[in-house]
Amino acid sequence: GAVVSQHPSRVICKSGTSVKIECRSLDFQATTMFWYRQFPKQSLMLMATSNEGSKATYEQGVEKDKFLINHASLTLSTLTVTSAHPEDSSFYICSATGPTPNYGYTFGSGTRLTVV
Amino acid sequence: KQEVTQIPAALSVPEGENLVLNCSFTDSAIYNLQWFRQDPGKGLTSLLLIQSSQREQTSGRLNASLDKSSGRSTLYIAASQPGDSATYLCAVRSMGDSNYQLIWGAGTKLIIKP
Repeated sequence: GAVVSQHPSRVICKSGTSVKIECRSLDFQATTMFWYRQFPKQSLMLMATSNEGSKATYEQGVEKDKFLINHASLTLSTLTVTSAHPEDSSFYICSATGPTPNYGYTFGSGTRLTVV
Repeated sequence: KQEVTQIPAALSVPEGENLVLNCSFTDSAIYNLQWFRQDPGKGLTSLLLIQSSQREQTSGRLNASLDKSSGRSTLYIAASQPGDSATYLCAVRSMGDSNYQLIWGAGTKLIIKP
């Protein structure tokens, strides 16, 4: 089946630094990737949608200059949290789908970000 | 606008019971419906994907049905085990909204008591 690999699984960083999270589709062409964040005991919140080779589309209220998304290839998307602050601490999850509507969605295992 | 509802929000049953989780959606114009499970602090695992032209999908002890005309899907879990405890989410890929995005139900938190 389709596999999406997300790294790192956990990261602790200091306030003011930047953190990059990678999301790779291992066995299919991920024409569209999504980035979510999830707070404890809450539902997934979609942050942005990215299509390979295009600029990401951000959901309302998500700062595009703070959460930089790059989807430069059909197998890799990255989320960079810039100038991280403690309130950015959260669980970030990526997902990917293929080029036609009948593709399902495959999720990464998530990244627990803690900003100290 | 597509809306997805899951009932019940939480369910606690003894080990060994068969159970059914329900998912309903308001717009039948969908490409497919997908069931996921999420364990605490973990990512999502896809359980079953049902295309709009299909009626059901099976994987091991899991069976998912889809009745597109009535806007319903059920996830049947046979002979439940404590390891089945998780939050179960259904999501539809809707033609009405952006066809890239999944529309999510709020989930059913399932606890299987040993």
